[in-house]
Amino acid sequence: ILNVEQSPQSLHVQEGDSTNFTCSFPSSNFYALHWYRWETAKSPEALFVMTLNGDEKKKGRISATLNTKEGYSYLYIKGSQPEDSATYLCAPLGSNYKLTFGKGTLLTVNP
Amino acid sequence: EAQVTQNPRYLITVTGKKLTVTCSQNMNHEYMSWYRQDPGLGLRQIYYSMNVEVTDKGDVPEGYKVSRKEKRNFPLILESPSPNQTSLYFCASQFDGTTEAFFGQGTRLTVV
Repeated sequence: ILNVEQSPQSLHVQEGDSTNFTCSFPSSNFYALHWYRWETAKSPEALFVMTLNGDEKKKGRISATLNTKEGYSYLYIKGSQPEDSATYLCAPLGSNYKLTFGKGTLLTVNP
Repeated sequence: EAQVTQNPRYLITVTGKKLTVTCSQNMNHEYMSWYRQDPGLGLRQIYYSMNVEVTDKGDVPEGYKVSRKEKRNFPLILESPSPNQTSLYFCASQFDGTTEAFFGQGTRLTVV
């Protein structure tokens, strides 16, 4: 089973703060890195899929970077809003073309 | 509308009574997968399928079966459910592993 670590496990920030969290994964046999946003009582929704070392992707106030050589990805949220409160999941696509999800970072944004 | 449809949304059953959770997608995706979500353990992959008639075990396949006879459908079968299979289940589909996954609404299963 692929070892995927996300940190921190949970995070509380104030509205307007910028924040970031980390996803670490084995750098060998790597094909792609997925990020998902999962709100309570809903289904996970895709944010980004990155494949190349140095990839950077952005969607509104959320952006992500990828380092495949050292096996990590950062997710950044600029100017957090209460509606950003959710669990953020990363999932590398490894050997056998299998997606393995991390346990997620639970973000709470206080108004 | 592009979607992944799971049924049923909620199910309470008894130990040993065979059940099937259906999953259907209308996006002509090749890659489909099943996950279970348990508190503190995150989303764990049960089975996945890269195309029709091609299925592979995920991280927690024991006690489950799947089939992929047509591209759009990927049912999850519990031949003899046990209480430790009480969980929230998600089906997902994607064009291939390097594209975003679309998740179904989830099925909350309770085995008593």
